[in-house]
Amino acid sequence: DAKTTQPPSMDCAEGRAANLPCNHSTISGNEYVYWYRQIHSQGPQYIIHGLKNNETNEMASLIITEDRKSSTLILPHATLRDTAVYYCIVRVAGNSGYALNFGKGTSLLVTP
Amino acid sequence: EAGVTQFPSHSVIEKGQTVTLRCDPISGHDNLYWYRRVMGKEIKFLLHFVKESKQDESGMPNNRFLAERTGGTYSTLKVQPAELEDSGVYFCASSHRQETQYFGPGTRLLVL
Repeated sequence: DAKTTQPPSMDCAEGRAANLPCNHSTISGNEYVYWYRQIHSQGPQYIIHGLKNNETNEMASLIITEDRKSSTLILPHATLRDTAVYYCIVRVAGNSGYALNFGKGTSLLVTP
Repeated sequence: EAGVTQFPSHSVIEKGQTVTLRCDPISGHDNLYWYRRVMGKEIKFLLHFVKESKQDESGMPNNRFLAERTGGTYSTLKVQPAELEDSGVYFCASSHRQETQYFGPGTRLLVL
C-alpha cells in the first residue's frame, strides 16, 4: 500500500470546519483513500473512504485532488467530541480484504 | 445491528501466565482481523481470517501468539506465556468481503 503523510497535530475551534490534509503521492490507480479516527482509548472508527470522486456522508466530506496525490478530510462543524487522532490510510480493496496500515495520524484538538 | 464485540475489556495478568482474548465479529462478516497497539507505538496488524482460514498472519510477533476461528464465527487470540512487552490494546475488526473494516472497543492487556 502507498505511504501517507499527515501533520502530527492540528487545532480547530469548536463550530468551525476542521480540514485535515493527507499526502499520498505514490498512490496507485486501484488504491482507495480511507479515513479512520480513534477517540481517546476507543477502537478505531471508520469515517469515510473514496477512490477518485469527492465523497460526503453524515460525518465528513472527503476531497481528493484530481491527480489523487493528496486528499483532505473535512469535518464541517467540529465539536469537542471530534477531538481524536485521525488516520489517512491508502489500501487496495480486494476480494479477500487487506490489512490497514495506520501510521501516526493527526492528533486533532477541538477547543471551546 | 450489533457491532464488533470483544471480551474481556481489560485483563491484568502476571508474566508467564496465559490469556485468551475473544472477538465476535459483526454477523455475516467473513473477514476478521486482529490488530494491537503497544505503549507509545502505532496500531499494527497481526493477522487476518477469511472464515476459518488464516489469510495473512504476517504480523504475528512470535509463536507465543495463537489465533483461532473455529467455525468461522468468533475468534480467539491466546498469548502463552505472556511477556511484559505484550502489554497493550488488542483490537479486532471485521468486514464483509473487501469492504470497510469495523473495529471493536479493544481489550486492554497489562502484563505485570
